[in-house]
Amino acid sequence: EDQVTQSPEALRLQEGESSSLNCSYTVSGLRGLFWYRQDPGKGPEFLFTLYSAGEEKEKERLKATLTKKESFLHITAPKPEDSATYLCACERGTYKYIFGTGTRLKVLA
Amino acid sequence: EAGVAQSPRYKIIEKRQSVAFWCNPISGHATLYWYQQILGQGPKLLIQFQNNGVVDDSQLPKDRFSAERLKGVDSTLKIQPAKLEDSAVYLCASVGTGDTDEKLFFGSGTQLSVL
Repeated sequence: EDQVTQSPEALRLQEGESSSLNCSYTVSGLRGLFWYRQDPGKGPEFLFTLYSAGEEKEKERLKATLTKKESFLHITAPKPEDSATYLCACERGTYKYIFGTGTRLKVLA
Repeated sequence: EAGVAQSPRYKIIEKRQSVAFWCNPISGHATLYWYQQILGQGPKLLIQFQNNGVVDDSQLPKDRFSAERLKGVDSTLKIQPAKLEDSAVYLCASVGTGDTDEKLFFGSGTQLSVL
């Protein structure tokens, strides 16, 4: 059965304290792995798509990486405005997505 | 470009009542999804449409949930009768055919509370 697991469930960081979020997956026929950011009361907002092992993408303080079994979202020197829930999703067929449960990140000033 | 529109933003109902949600996807997006997101969990697919046809409704509780996408544009999701466990945020999303990232665009959701 296809499965996407995120860890940790919640993470509290001090401003400037770098860390990584994990997304482990067992998905047959992976077409792409997506990272989304979700703020309270809003829908998820797209961050990155990764397609093959070894691929990396960066945006401001965020960097996403992909291996054959997992993806990491690295947050460098986070700021309070980075506080949000980060969701990982796998595309297992054209336009068919399965989501993880998310990591709730809180960055303290 | 305009985003995915959803209404209402909030709804409070008693159990056994009925409720309907509306979604208007991004113009030109053929594929539309309804997701259920329970507090602290990731979005769970309820139904996927391609134009006005159903692609996947395997996780839709068909005894109480129904959805339609007439004319292949906007969509409605209905719950009748509602149960306490239906309390969740209902998210609508769409994706554009041929988009290089194949990323989902989400609306802000409807937060449903069943009392």
